[in-house]
Amino acid sequence: ILNVEQSPQSLHVQEGDSTNFTCSFPSSNFYALHWYRWETAKSPEALFVMTLNGDEKKKGRISATLNTKEGYSYLYIKGSQPEDSATYLCAYMNYGGSQGNLIFGKGTKLSVKP
Amino acid sequence: DAMVIQNPRYQVTQFGKPVTLSCSQTLNHNVMYWYQQKSSQAPKLLFHYYDKDFNNEADTPDNFQSRRPNTSFCFLDIRSPGLGDAAMYLCATSRDLTSGTYSYEQYFGPGTRLTVT
Repeated sequence: ILNVEQSPQSLHVQEGDSTNFTCSFPSSNFYALHWYRWETAKSPEALFVMTLNGDEKKKGRISATLNTKEGYSYLYIKGSQPEDSATYLCAYMNYGGSQGNLIFGKGTKLSVKP
Repeated sequence: DAMVIQNPRYQVTQFGKPVTLSCSQTLNHNVMYWYQQKSSQAPKLLFHYYDKDFNNEADTPDNFQSRRPNTSFCFLDIRSPGLGDAAMYLCATSRDLTSGTYSYEQYFGPGTRLTVT
């Protein structure tokens, strides 16, 4: 059974704090790692798709790193804002599974207080 | 804006009464997916279509069926909903599955929350 673990499950920070959370996944047969942000009552939206070991991607104040050999990815948010409040999902794809099958973690729920 | 639309956003059905959830997209993507997310759980892929090719996940119950009459629309049919089928159902699309070493992001609808009474 392929498991994707995200930690912490939830996080409460003050506006302006920087924060980070972790996604762990099986390191064998790695193909891709996706990050999505899901705001309440909205659609999940893609943040990053990462495929190469050592990859680092950035979008505004949010960045992500990838270590495929040890099976983890970090998502960083610099200077959190209330609008960053959302659930952040990571999803893993491997070579062995059916094409297109993203295996999701349970997410990290971030709340940013003004 | 091009998007993925799911109707209805909330659906209440009775135990054993068939229900259909719908999804439409204006992105003209080849691939459409249906995910089930139960409370506090990870979204789980039920099946996906690559064009008209249907791909069922091995552990998707027979109670769940899907139809894709054209590129834009995809339906999830639950033949005899049980209490355990209450969940958020997410539809997603992607441009393709993979290409070389590239994996395409998925575009999601807002989901349909199904309640079974």
